[in-house]
Amino acid sequence: LAKTTQPISMDSYEGQEVNITCSHNNIATNDYITWYQQFPSQGPRFIIQGYKTKVTNEVASLFIPADRKSSTLSLPRVSLSDTAVYYCLVGDAANQGGKLIFGQGTELSVKP
Amino acid sequence: GAVVSQHPSRVICKSGTSVKIECRSLDFQATTMFWYRQFPKQSLMLMATSNEGSKATYEQGVEKDKFLINHASLTLSTLTVTSAHPEDSSFYICSLRGQGHTGELFFGEGSRLTVL
Repeated sequence: LAKTTQPISMDSYEGQEVNITCSHNNIATNDYITWYQQFPSQGPRFIIQGYKTKVTNEVASLFIPADRKSSTLSLPRVSLSDTAVYYCLVGDAANQGGKLIFGQGTELSVKP
Repeated sequence: GAVVSQHPSRVICKSGTSVKIECRSLDFQATTMFWYRQFPKQSLMLMATSNEGSKATYEQGVEKDKFLINHASLTLSTLTVTSAHPEDSSFYICSLRGQGHTGELFFGEGSRLTVL
C-alpha cells in the first residue's frame, strides 16, 4: 500500500486559496488518489478523486503531476467552515475489498 | 453515493461490559466493510476488514477476541467491544467502498465510546 505524507498543519485566512500537497512516492499503476475532509466527531467525507493531470469539481481542484508521486488539493477562497482535517489516500479504486490506510492528515485552520 | 448509518452515535459504559456498534449500508449491498478507530487528535487507524459471510481480517496488533466483528448480511456489520476498559474509549467509524470505478470510501457518522 502506498504511504502518504502531508504537512501536519496549515493556517489560512478567509478568502484565500489553500493548497495542500501530499507525497506518495510508491504509488502503483492502478492506484487512484482520493482526498477526504473530516470535521471533529464526524466520519470523513469525500472531496475529490483523480488519477492524473487535473480534476475539478464544485468544491476543489486536484493537481497530479505526470510522475504521480505527489498531488495537490486546492481549495479556492476558503471560509471558516473549511477548518477541518484533510487526508489524502492512495489505493486501487477497482478493488472494492481493498483496504485504504490513512496517513496523518493535514489540519487546516482558517482564520477570519 | 452510498449512505452508511452507524448506531449508536454515543455510548457510555462501565468497565468490563460489552458494547455493540452497528453499521448499515442503506443504498447497496456491501460484501466488504471497514472498521476504523480514531483517538483524539490522531488519524484514523484501520482495525479490520469485515467480510460478509466469512471471518473478518484484522490488522496487526488488533485483538480479534477483543473486537468481535460480525457481517451476517450484505447491509449490516457489527463491532462488539468485549469487556471494555477505559483504554478502549475512542471514536469508532465504519466505512465501505462505493461501487463503480472510483471506489471511494463512504463513512458512517462514527460512534463515540466512553468507558468509565
